[in-house]
Amino acid sequence: AQKITQTQPGMFVQEKEAVTLDCTYDTSDQSYGLFWYKQPSSGEMIFLIYQGSYDEQNATEGRYSLNFQKARKSANLVISASQLGDSAMYFCAMRGSSGGGADGLTFGKGTHLIIQP
Amino acid sequence: GAGVSQSPSNKVTEKGKDVELRCDPISGHTALYWYRQSLGQGLEFLIYFQGNSAPDKSGLPSDRFSAERTGGSVSTLTIQRTQQEDSAVYLCASSFSTATNEKLFFGSGTQLSVL
Repeated sequence: AQKITQTQPGMFVQEKEAVTLDCTYDTSDQSYGLFWYKQPSSGEMIFLIYQGSYDEQNATEGRYSLNFQKARKSANLVISASQLGDSAMYFCAMRGSSGGGADGLTFGKGTHLIIQP
Repeated sequence: GAGVSQSPSNKVTEKGKDVELRCDPISGHTALYWYRQSLGQGLEFLIYFQGNSAPDKSGLPSDRFSAERTGGSVSTLTIQRTQQEDSAVYLCASSFSTATNEKLFFGSGTQLSVL
């Protein structure tokens, strides 16, 4: 079984500051993928970034980077230079290799990020 | 279409009625997933299809829920004798395969309200 824990239900951040959203995971799989999705108030799920369990370098996508610490089972999302449009729910998720991917993505409960001007 | 399409976008029904939710995945995507998201909550996995078969139906909340997929494409999620606790957003997603690096593409969801 896989589990994702996001310990920050809500965060307030000043515009242009960097923000770190925490995510820890638990799995017995050796091969797995970690994902972050953004869900604005419109409800759509927007893919942000992916990190593979065997990737040696932290993933980056524009202003998003993933601070991957495998030994600590941690996959924090870092958003640099936050913008008002970053206000949304953020979900950490993982996809394991056991069961042939039958469960798709396992999601955390999310962090509600609000960027203040 | 280019993305995952879900219909209807909104559905209001009376308690006890049956509803059918539809999902049209991205062309060529073999894996299809249904999730449920209650207000302010995370995503609850319901069921997964690989092609037309659903190997594991244990995520469905009760026997009032059923799903099928035909032709390896369109899927329908049916809720019989709806209850107020069924009110939620039902999200469909698809992916090219079940590999660990395959991201899921989501539809816009169906907002179900049971009165």
